[in-house]
This record gives sequence, structure tokens and C-alpha cells, in this order.
Amino acid sequence: QKEVEQNSGPLSVPEGAIASLNCTYSDRGSQSFFWYRQYSGKSPELIMFIYSNGDKEDGRFTAQLNKASQYVSLLIRDSQPSDSATYLCALLNQAGTALIFGKGTTLSVSS
Amino acid sequence: KAGVTQTPRYLIKTRGQQVTLSCSPISGHRSVSWYQQTPGQGLQFLFEYFSETQRNKGNFPGRFSGRQFSNSRSEMNVSTLELGDSALYLCASSLGTNSYNSPLHFGNGTRLTVT
Repeated sequence: QKEVEQNSGPLSVPEGAIASLNCTYSDRGSQSFFWYRQYSGKSPELIMFIYSNGDKEDGRFTAQLNKASQYVSLLIRDSQPSDSATYLCALLNQAGTALIFGKGTTLSVSS
Repeated sequence: KAGVTQTPRYLIKTRGQQVTLSCSPISGHRSVSWYQQTPGQGLQFLFEYFSETQRNKGNFPGRFSGRQFSNSRSEMNVSTLELGDSALYLCASSLGTNSYNSPLHFGNGTRLTVT
């Protein structure tokens, strides 16, 4: 089993809808989780990080963490065409020295 | 504040050659990480340096090596290039002391093509 698994997509949603991106991980000891966004031809940029069970909100973005079920999700409310990108889920290794990334989910928001 | 700077942006090399990529981190950042990104494998961790010491290494052959200088700038070297080494190589920096409070900031990458 891969350490971090994401559905590759594409996930297609209409403008204004909620986009839900999911990620599961295998290492129960993982403590910190990150969501990065990567536009085509660009480098990844950090959207949010979360390390406590529950929800964390930042503007239109909400990260959700459930350590018992070993999943992390990212909700994007009021999706915009500019949100169209690949979203990468990552966890911090237990030594705190490396981020382990999933392969990413491609999101397409249509206007 | 300047971001992470990687040079060169593009490289074309021939099988068997070697290549050196350079990364200048954000000022004040002491940790530099290197990642390889390919369409098939996604982002894969190569190694991480903090204060000139390699703290962690990913599952890559010994042909991949790196180092960090006292000013936190880093280089990675790939020797005896293979076609499969064609990828986007990304450098990222962070404060490195407490990663979830000092997340990674990526450079624009070096696109390496091996022919």
C-alpha cells in the first residue's frame, strides 16, 4: 500500500459548488498533514496544514483530519475556475524531515 | 522576501553524463529538501539537509547525491544519467525546526531532459 493515496481524478465540479478532495494514509504515527496546490507548469504552493483531529477553516478552504480512520480531506467552497489545479496531499514523516506526497487529484471547475 | 531560487530552469543532457542543480533557499531558512516529480510517480523525496548535514534520504540510487553549504545553499548531483532521470527537480526550503509551523516553500524547479 502506498503511504499516501489520492484519487487521481479528474474531479469536475461546476462553478460555485463544493469540491471535496480526499486522501488516505497508511502510517498511523503520522501527525502533520498538508495540502498543496499545483497549477500546470508551476511548483506546488501550500494551501493548509492540519495536525489536530477535526476541521480547520481558512477562507473558502476547510481541511478535515480523522486520525482513527486515517484520512484527510480538503473542501473548497464556492469553487472558482481559478481553483482548477492538481491538489497534493502530504504527510510529515515521523522524524519531521520529509514530506511524503500523494500523486495528487486534478480538479477542474467549469464556469 | 525572495523565494526559493533554482538554477538552471532547463537542462538537456545525454545518457551517461552528470549534472549539478543549484538551489538558494529563502533567507533564514536552514532546511533544504529535494524532490523529483514525474507524471508516473508524482513527487518523490530525494533528500533533506539542515545546517550542512543530510538528515534524511529517500529511496534513490547512489547516483543521486547532494550537499549543503554554510550559507544554506544546496546542490544536488546526478551522475551517469539515465533516460528515467528525466523529470522536474524541485527544491524546497523551510525553517526546519518545527515543520508544521514552518512548511516547505518550493522553487520553480529544474526541468531535466535526458536523451
